[in-house]
Amino acid sequence: QVQLVQSGAEVKKPGASVKISCRASGYSLTNYGIHWVRQAPGQRLEWMGWINTGNGDTKSSPKLQGRVTITRVASANTAYMELSSLRSEDTAVYYCARDLGKVRGVISYYFDCWGQGTLVTVSS
Amino acid sequence: DIQMTQSPSSLSASVGDRVTITCRASQGITNYLAWYQQKPGKVPKLLIYAASTLQSGVPSRFSGSGSGTDFTLTISSLQPEDVATYYCQKYNSAPWTFGQGTKVEIK
Repeated sequence: QVQLVQSGAEVKKPGASVKISCRASGYSLTNYGIHWVRQAPGQRLEWMGWINTGNGDTKSSPKLQGRVTITRVASANTAYMELSSLRSEDTAVYYCARDLGKVRGVISYYFDCWGQGTLVTVSS
Repeated sequence: DIQMTQSPSSLSASVGDRVTITCRASQGITNYLAWYQQKPGKVPKLLIYAASTLQSGVPSRFSGSGSGTDFTLTISSLQPEDVATYYCQKYNSAPWTFGQGTKVEIK
């Protein structure tokens, strides 16, 4: 059964960093890309970034102004997202999600599997 | 960057009604559009990809159409379990932008 299992809730102070893990189960992490999406309370889904889990290439949202770092450890079948210089407005549920890449040459970068979400609360 | 705009932001309909949600891209995205359903307090779930292809296991009352800049999600007969917020998303290239969501309620 394909699953993405995320680490637990975090409480951080403004200015700190948070690192969330996303462990793939039921498939090899390096076969598909991983995205990070967040959702502030009552707000829309916001795409944060992506990692090509095969070669480690990343893309991230310019709105995050270089504060996000996405990595993976293939041997642990796990991807990570670190967000630095936390502010109160970073309080949100953070999700990892898998894309299928190219399927028989067709762009298939939609998100077919999501982690359970990790609540990050930023408060002094 | 391409912006995704959904309408309406919310709607209320009766059980059995036909419901249509629209999504407009600020530039053409061919058919690289997905729809997700997010029930209250739950993880988003993929409903439709490639604008009109139903994800496995999704009820056939859901359908999608469109290409280029204008897309629609239709629920042919609204059921109580369809209460949720629905999001469109472009996925042809970064950034993978979502629409602002459409909240569907039962009247």
